[in-house]
Amino acid sequence: KQEVTQIPAALSVPEGENLVLNCSFTDSAIYNLQWFRQDPGKGLTSLLLIQSSQREQTSGRLNASLDKSSGRSTLYIAASQPGDSATYLCAVFSNSGYALNFGKGTSLLVTP
Amino acid sequence: KAGVTQTPRYLIKTRGQQVTLSCSPISGHRSVSWYQQTPGQGLQFLFEYFSETQRNKGNFPGRFSGRQFSNSRSEMNVSTLELGDSALYLCASRQWAGGTDEQFFGPGTRLTVL
Repeated sequence: KQEVTQIPAALSVPEGENLVLNCSFTDSAIYNLQWFRQDPGKGLTSLLLIQSSQREQTSGRLNASLDKSSGRSTLYIAASQPGDSATYLCAVFSNSGYALNFGKGTSLLVTP
Repeated sequence: KAGVTQTPRYLIKTRGQQVTLSCSPISGHRSVSWYQQTPGQGLQFLFEYFSETQRNKGNFPGRFSGRQFSNSRSEMNVSTLELGDSALYLCASRQWAGGTDEQFFGPGTRLTVL
């Protein structure tokens, strides 16, 4: 059974800092990995999708990497802003189960 | 292109009642999945529908059921509601049902069971 873990559970940083969110998964037989953002009481916004054959994806100030063999992904946020405050969720789409398996998320607070 | 829409956005029910939630996928998307989000368990997969057929099902009791219509819209039904069914129910759509597709989520339906 695929287990997804996100570290840290919560993070508070001052505006302007670069930061890294970590995600690990137990079964490397995945199709892809997605990073999502969730604002309080809202749905999920897809940030980045990395296919299993890819090593990284970039979108604006966001960069996500994938090391399938070690079961790890990182989300790098450059020059953080207060508007980046949200919960960030990592999800893997596994060959087994054939559904997204989510981590519990990292709650990010960027202070002005 | 419009995103995934879910109705209603909020629901309050009492134990023992049943409830139906609706999801309209992004135009052209044929796969719809449902997820339950609670503070304790996080996000858990309920089921996926593609071309009106249930393709995959998570580990939930039979009180949770769903269906998909020919226009790809999907409904989820929960019968005999329990307090523990209080959650945010999220619907996701993707174009096909392959493993490489990006999934897009709706705003969710917040269900409160009293």
